Amino acid sequence: GQNIDQPTEMTATEGAIVQINCTYQTSGFNGLFWYQQHAGEAPTFLSYNVLDGLEEKGRFSSFLSRSKGYSYLLLKELQMKDSASYLCAALDSNYQLIWGAGTKLIIKP
Amino acid sequence: GAVVSQHPSRVICKSGTSVKIECRSLDFQATTMFWYRQFPKKSLMLMATSNEGSKATYEQGVEKDKFLINHASLTLSTLTVTSAHPEDSSFYICSATRGELYNEQFFGPGTRLTVL
Repeated sequence: GQNIDQPTEMTATEGAIVQINCTYQTSGFNGLFWYQQHAGEAPTFLSYNVLDGLEEKGRFSSFLSRSKGYSYLLLKELQMKDSASYLCAALDSNYQLIWGAGTKLIIKP
Repeated sequence: GAVVSQHPSRVICKSGTSVKIECRSLDFQATTMFWYRQFPKKSLMLMATSNEGSKATYEQGVEKDKFLINHASLTLSTLTVTSAHPEDSSFYICSATRGELYNEQFFGPGTRLTVL
């Protein structure tokens, strides 16, 4: 079956760095997305990786290893506004998005 | 660019009534639109995929006659929840993609439906 695993909840301190991991098992693979979702709002796009390696975009970076079925989202210089759920989603061979349950990130002062 | 709007943002209705939710891509033509449902503290659940001018493809377990989807144009898709019941109360989100590849999805702001 198809499956996405990511931690349910993580806690980090303002100004610190946090890494949110995601492992996936899909029928074929056409890329991996990270979305941010604040409570009561729709998701917003953060990153898309289809090739192995690290993609950096400001304070956020996303890494992909296709051979390991693994990705992580790295958030640096954490701010209180980064408190949100982070959704990992993989695109399978039929271009269907398989969503993870999301990781709730709690930032403490 | 790539803005998706959704209307209404909140709706409260009585059990047995029908509710229509609109999803519009404001500044691009959406090749495909998706309708999701999300329960509290849960991830997105894809309900259906719709392409302009053709019938929507529903996910397993989603009732076609209950959740009517009409994709009338490249910028508008509607979801009608027919004969709504309290268990249909949820957060409904649409998204749209542009171009040939199913890459980045642009999400609407969501519609909170409460059925009394």
